[in-house]
Amino acid sequence: DIQMTQSPSTLSASVGDRVTITCRASHTVSSWLAWYQQKPGKAPKLLIYDASNLESGVPSRFSGSRSGTEFTLTISSLQPDDSATYYCQQYNSYFRTFGQGTKLEIK
Amino acid sequence: EVQLVESGGGPVKPGGSLRLSCAASGFSFSDYSMNWVRQAPGKGLEWVSCISSSHDYIYYTDSVKGRFTISRDNAKNALYLQMNSLRADDTAVYYCARGTDSSSSTHFDYWGQGTQVAVSS
Repeated sequence: DIQMTQSPSTLSASVGDRVTITCRASHTVSSWLAWYQQKPGKAPKLLIYDASNLESGVPSRFSGSRSGTEFTLTISSLQPDDSATYYCQQYNSYFRTFGQGTKLEIK
Repeated sequence: EVQLVESGGGPVKPGGSLRLSCAASGFSFSDYSMNWVRQAPGKGLEWVSCISSSHDYIYYTDSVKGRFTISRDNAKNALYLQMNSLRADDTAVYYCARGTDSSSSTHFDYWGQGTQVAVSS
């Protein structure tokens, strides 16, 4: 199984800050990586797919990138509505695995 | 508008059974693979099972193999998860999630609101 390791586990930042969350795969997943946002009591919402493609309707302040087996989700200018937990997910095979999540809090 | 609505969750004793359903609307159900993903209380997301659009491929995570059965009825636009021999560590919110095409190796573009399963004596 491919393990996905996210960092940090928690993050506190201010409105307007640039925020970066990292996800590292234990084996190559090519660019088959997605990012999701989940708010308390709600279903996850797709933000980014294929490592860097922005899902329709998602604000352009969200972006994704890949360097080998390391993936990054960046929020260019943090907004109050971005308070949530973020998960990466690989889909290189049928056995999809998620990172453990990054809880993002607004200071 | 794509909608996925789960039902069938609830409290159950260890060793018991439940059948979850997911009613799909707003898209051509038979063209997409479908998945179950669960989230234990206070924990992260865990993929449970998937079924390809025409039943060609069915996969499970190791911890549910032999206990859970995924199925779908394309005529009824419905996805199911039969859960037998339930254990306390199956306690979670169960989400149905749509794959982005007919295959079994995709991300998930739409999710239901989830149904809670609580296994306890």
